[in-house]
Amino acid sequence: SQELEQSPQSLIVQEGKNLTINCTSSKTLYGLYWYKQKYGEGLIFLMMLQKGGEEKSHEKITAKLDEKKQQSSLHITASQPSHAGIYLCGAGGYTGKLIFGQGTTLQVKP
Amino acid sequence: GAVVSQHPSWVICKSGTSVKIECRSLDFQATTMFWYRQFPKQSLMLMATSNEGSKATYEQGVEKDKFLINHASLTLSTLTVTSAHPEDSSFYICSARGASGDYEQYFGPGTRLTVT
Repeated sequence: SQELEQSPQSLIVQEGKNLTINCTSSKTLYGLYWYKQKYGEGLIFLMMLQKGGEEKSHEKITAKLDEKKQQSSLHITASQPSHAGIYLCGAGGYTGKLIFGQGTTLQVKP
Repeated sequence: GAVVSQHPSWVICKSGTSVKIECRSLDFQATTMFWYRQFPKQSLMLMATSNEGSKATYEQGVEKDKFLINHASLTLSTLTVTSAHPEDSSFYICSARGASGDYEQYFGPGTRLTVT
């Protein structure tokens, strides 16, 4: 079965700093999803990547999928307190079922 | 953007009773909905896939007689936890995928169930 490993598990950064979260899959990814969650709340869809080498950006967040489609990174530029939360990567196929990584908890210190 | 709602947002029930959780897609038709559960400080675990008009497909280890899923329309799926026990206390989240053919998936805000 497919497994996703996220690193780091937790991250504390100073406001204004850049950061990167990685997601590595044990199998080739069909679709890779990035979500943000605040503790005890639902998931906010950030981006979905499907093609090898694909890169998408939204505001200050950029997600990339490597050519081999086994690794993805989420990069936040000039972090703000509003970026704090739990970032989850999810792997999905045509069925729509998602398998999630264990999550990365981000704290941004003002 | 696509919005998925859940009701209730939290519920406390006594051991042995049943609880129903609703998941609705508000501005799109969802041919497929998914139910996940999340334990504190853990990631989401898929419980079942709910397809409109057909029986739900359960993941291995999930008791289908305990977690009853009904997807009666293209905008509503329900999860009923029957004869709830304290170990069923968890955060239940649904997600919905539209019929448009894209693979974006939208999540509800979750329902926190506490069984006393």
